[in-house]
Amino acid sequence: TQLLEQSPQFLSIQEGENLTVYCNSSSVFSSLQWYRQEPGEGPVLLVTVVTGGEVKKLKRLTFQFGDARKDSSLHITAAQPGDTGLYLCAGGAERDSWGKLQFGAGTQVVVTP
Amino acid sequence: GAVVSQHPSWVICKSGTSVKIECRSLDFQATTMFWYRQFPKQSLMLMATSNEGSKATYEQGVEKDKFLINHASLTLSTLTVTSAHPEDSSFYICSARDRLAGFYEQYFGPGTRLTVT
Repeated sequence: TQLLEQSPQFLSIQEGENLTVYCNSSSVFSSLQWYRQEPGEGPVLLVTVVTGGEVKKLKRLTFQFGDARKDSSLHITAAQPGDTGLYLCAGGAERDSWGKLQFGAGTQVVVTP
Repeated sequence: GAVVSQHPSWVICKSGTSVKIECRSLDFQATTMFWYRQFPKQSLMLMATSNEGSKATYEQGVEKDKFLINHASLTLSTLTVTSAHPEDSSFYICSARDRLAGFYEQYFGPGTRLTVT
């Protein structure tokens, strides 16, 4: 089993502040996804990164995949209350036949006005 | 695009009864669907991988006779919790892999809250 460790587990910040969530593993992943989940709903795919060193931007969100494809980070600039949610990273193992994902434990982000 | 629905969104049943949850990909074909279980304030735990036209593959520790999975078509997978007990109460989420999208990209349904009394 390839473990994905997310940090921090919980983050509470004021509106307008920046935040970074980390996702680390000792294993190499073919791709890594970031999802956001709100209470009582399913996760929503934010981004997929597949190339080592890749950086993707989605409005105020910046995602980076480590050069060795073992780690990733999510940075939110000028956070807003609408960014509140559970952020999950998920990695696709190399040589997996079905496209299974290994999920991190999640980071609960709370942005207060 | 890439919408996945689940039905029902919540269900309450009595101990010993069975409950069926449906997962549908509405605007794409999904050769593979996944079933997850999520406890409060925790991450998703993969229960099984469902492939159209073949038997599901269960993760270690998941009872295949208790959690019956059927993937009868490219747009529908069902999970039946048989002889449910209070410890089966949980949030069950399905996801589907669009065979035309990235190999690891999964699109999730809204989840089903099961409460067993």
